[in-house]
Amino acid sequence: DIQLTQSPSFLSTSIGDRVTITCRASEDISSNLAWYQQRPGKAPKLLIYGAVTLQSGVPSRFSGTGSGTEFSLTISSLQPEDCATYYCQHLQGYPPIIFGGGTKVEIK
Amino acid sequence: EVQLVESGGVVVQPGGSLRLSCVASGFTFEDYPMHWVRQAPGRGPEWVSFITWDGDTTSYARSVKGRFTISRDNSQNSLYLQMNSLRIEDTAVYYCARNPPDYFVEGYYFDSWGQGTLVTVSS
Repeated sequence: DIQLTQSPSFLSTSIGDRVTITCRASEDISSNLAWYQQRPGKAPKLLIYGAVTLQSGVPSRFSGTGSGTEFSLTISSLQPEDCATYYCQHLQGYPPIIFGGGTKVEIK
Repeated sequence: EVQLVESGGVVVQPGGSLRLSCVASGFTFEDYPMHWVRQAPGRGPEWVSFITWDGDTTSYARSVKGRFTISRDNSQNSLYLQMNSLRIEDTAVYYCARNPPDYFVEGYYFDSWGQGTLVTVSS
């Protein structure tokens, strides 16, 4: 199975900062990656699919880049409601469907 | 508005059985493939099972294959997960999640989630 490795696993940052989270695949997955946000006590929420396509209703401060084995999720200006754990997920290669280990973003 | 509402989570003993349900509204349920995804306490999401729009094709994670069965009733806008031979490590919040219709092209991902139902396996 393909492995997805996220870094960092924890991030403490300030309101207004630019935040970048990385997801590395163990082999080439083209653009077959999604990103999710999970706030405490809530279900995950789709942010980006196809590596770069913003899901309807998601604020434009979120963006996704990358292809092949290296991907990034960027929050251009961190807001208080962005305090959450973020997961990447491989869109193909099912079964199984694989998630990354997660990146927890905390507000300083 | 898309809504997915899970139910059926309880405390059950190891070796026991349980059936989870998910009722969908706000979209044409029969057009969409569906999944179950679980999340153990303090852990990341883990995909459990998938079913096509017509129920003809199903698949399972290795950890549950042979013990869990996914099914759906499009006339009732409902998705189910029959869980048998439950183990302590099956303890988790179980979510039903919707996949975009064109999964052959777009892939397998989750564009809407329910609020989850907690299954606790404990003696």
